[in-house]
Amino acid sequence: QSALTQPASVSGSPGQSITISCTGTSSDVGGYNYVSWYQQHPGKAPKLMIYDVSNRPSGVSNRFSGSKSGNTASLTISGLQAEDEADYYCSSYTSSSTPPYVFGTGTKVTVL
Amino acid sequence: QVQLQQSGPGLVKPSQTFSLTCAISGDSVSSNSATWNWIRQSPSRGLEWLGRTYYRSKWYNDYAVSVKSRITINPDTSKNQFSLQLNSVTPEDTAVYYCARLAPRWFDPWGQGTLVTVSS
Repeated sequence: QSALTQPASVSGSPGQSITISCTGTSSDVGGYNYVSWYQQHPGKAPKLMIYDVSNRPSGVSNRFSGSKSGNTASLTISGLQAEDEADYYCSSYTSSSTPPYVFGTGTKVTVL
Repeated sequence: QVQLQQSGPGLVKPSQTFSLTCAISGDSVSSNSATWNWIRQSPSRGLEWLGRTYYRSKWYNDYAVSVKSRITINPDTSKNQFSLQLNSVTPEDTAVYYCARLAPRWFDPWGQGTLVTVSS
């Protein structure tokens, strides 16, 4: 299966907003509202930030928001903070039976 | 609060087999609404889903095509945990291995990760 496509890196200054894209196909991102986003700091396990395209788990800052248009999902971080510097990965359910879920290529967010 | 705690060796020789265990607290490996997954991460492959085990009136396993001939994932209901066994390893299997719960459609939580290095 092919990984979902994300930009390798995105950067922004503190307080700014940035958006990370996640492009798939009609068999995954475009076909289902089952996109999730994960934040990963160096040496740590991924942490769920967004599920089902736009829902935030309890405890996740409302500065993080998700959306989807066609085959592309997006994660927006508003009011960028130093602690947001991390790698971000999207994931989507796919109609392929195995694997049932596919991950994105990952985006390094740098706070300038 | 569900937590996953991984254990297992970090160094294995080429052609050998390694095993990792993921102990579950706050949920049951026999849950009818969750699946229990192994995922690995390496610079060359990114995040790669390896396989899962889950219970829906009986036990099921699914494996990624890339490792299907070499992988076994087993539940252990007596200890509320599940395990990963990968055979005939090569240096390409060097990665950080994570266990993770999928319920219902997102991976949460994840284990702390185990760096497995394949080297002689």
